[in-house]
Amino acid sequence: DIVMTQSPDSLAVSLGERATINCKSSQSVLDSSNNKNSLAWYQQKPGQPPKLLIYWASTRESGVPDRFSGSGSGTDFTLTITSLQAEDVAVYYCQHYYSPPHSFGQGTKLEIK
Amino acid sequence: QVQLQESGPGLVKPSETLSLTCTVSGGSISNSFWGWIRQPPGKGLEWIGYIHYSGSTYYSPSLRSRAIISVDTSKTQFSLKLSSVTAADTAVYYCATEGGRGYKWGQGTLVTVSS
Repeated sequence: DIVMTQSPDSLAVSLGERATINCKSSQSVLDSSNNKNSLAWYQQKPGQPPKLLIYWASTRESGVPDRFSGSGSGTDFTLTITSLQAEDVAVYYCQHYYSPPHSFGQGTKLEIK
Repeated sequence: QVQLQESGPGLVKPSETLSLTCTVSGGSISNSFWGWIRQPPGKGLEWIGYIHYSGSTYYSPSLRSRAIISVDTSKTQFSLKLSSVTAADTAVYYCATEGGRGYKWGQGTLVTVSS
């Protein structure tokens, strides 16, 4: 089974600054059938379900602000939030959907400094 | 836009079976995968398993012996049964759909295991 590890566990960033969250998988999640990485990023605010931000490691879901971007391939991935806004305070999770079980990272709590 | 809504008892007694249903609207259940994910209070997300509309199922190794996911295409619903529950199964349970582009989620329902 693939294990997902995020870093850091928590992060405090000033408004308008950049936030970077890392995610590492224990094996490659690159799907050779379509040359896409089966990796998603979610944002979860208190009392709400997770919201899909990014799929295929770097494709932004419809309606997601362009300050959110994903990058990486194989086993190492990054979620970047440029120009942090107050509404971005949340817990962020990565998840692979390469092969079941589709495990999640432990989450990264993002706060305002 | 597919929408998902969980339903079922909010309180289950220890050793009994937790049963939840997810109703799908705004789209067909006859494609994609349909799954369950849970989140204990204050903790992270745990993938439970999913089912393809054809009936093929996949479960987390840690829950495989206790979980059953089924689909009713005529009712556009799918269900989760988790047997022999303990307090450790207390969580918000989410139903979700996965079609190769990450998961889309229902609002979730809190299930508490307590006598």
